[in-house]
Amino acid sequence: EAGVAQSPRYKIIEKRQSVAFWCNPISGHATLYWYQQILGQGPKLLIQFQNNGVVDDSQLPKDRFSAERLKGVDSTLKIQPAKLEDSAVYLCASSTQDTQYFGPGTRLTVL
Amino acid sequence: AQSVTQPDIHITVSEGASLELRCNYSYGATPYLFWYVQSPGQGLQLLLKYFSGDTLVQGIKGFEAEFKRSQSSFNLRKPSVHWSDAAEYFCAVGALSGANNLFFGTGTRLTVIP
Repeated sequence: EAGVAQSPRYKIIEKRQSVAFWCNPISGHATLYWYQQILGQGPKLLIQFQNNGVVDDSQLPKDRFSAERLKGVDSTLKIQPAKLEDSAVYLCASSTQDTQYFGPGTRLTVL
Repeated sequence: AQSVTQPDIHITVSEGASLELRCNYSYGATPYLFWYVQSPGQGLQLLLKYFSGDTLVQGIKGFEAEFKRSQSSFNLRKPSVHWSDAAEYFCAVGALSGANNLFFGTGTRLTVIP
């Protein structure tokens, strides 16, 4: 069974630029999550989707971050404009009813 | 509110020695508890999970964890550490229903010396 796929794996941008990350969950997993993992910290949930609807986006900085999952499968996370403090690894996960499976992440560096 | 504390930021053990990584949680109801491992440049891999039943759970790679409700702990153990176990270990607590997002601890970095 294929795991959660993410791209790109690495991205370097300058502050105030925009960036987008893509995630393809495990086939059949209705729930998809985006986490932000800052160096030295545990992952923090940004947004959770159930199919193509948002379940929880309370921790998403909506002035600059947006995410969508239009067809209930793939998802994109966008940052516009990026700030220095957005440098982190962005992890995508998908879940069965009770267990989350994580992708390899996208490491974002904002200069 | 949920929270997870991993009191040890960094642990160093010799190869072949036993290992225990500590995890304390705060949650108002019966929690889902997880241990994940993250190797450099990789995503998180599930080691084991506890939902209910037997408080000693077995996971992959020879790891086990024991749920102790009275101590609000879910410590991870391995009787004999291998050099390939060097990684970052995260404990997480999740909700039983509704938005079942996970709350992670800050992680424990394990170094294994020959």
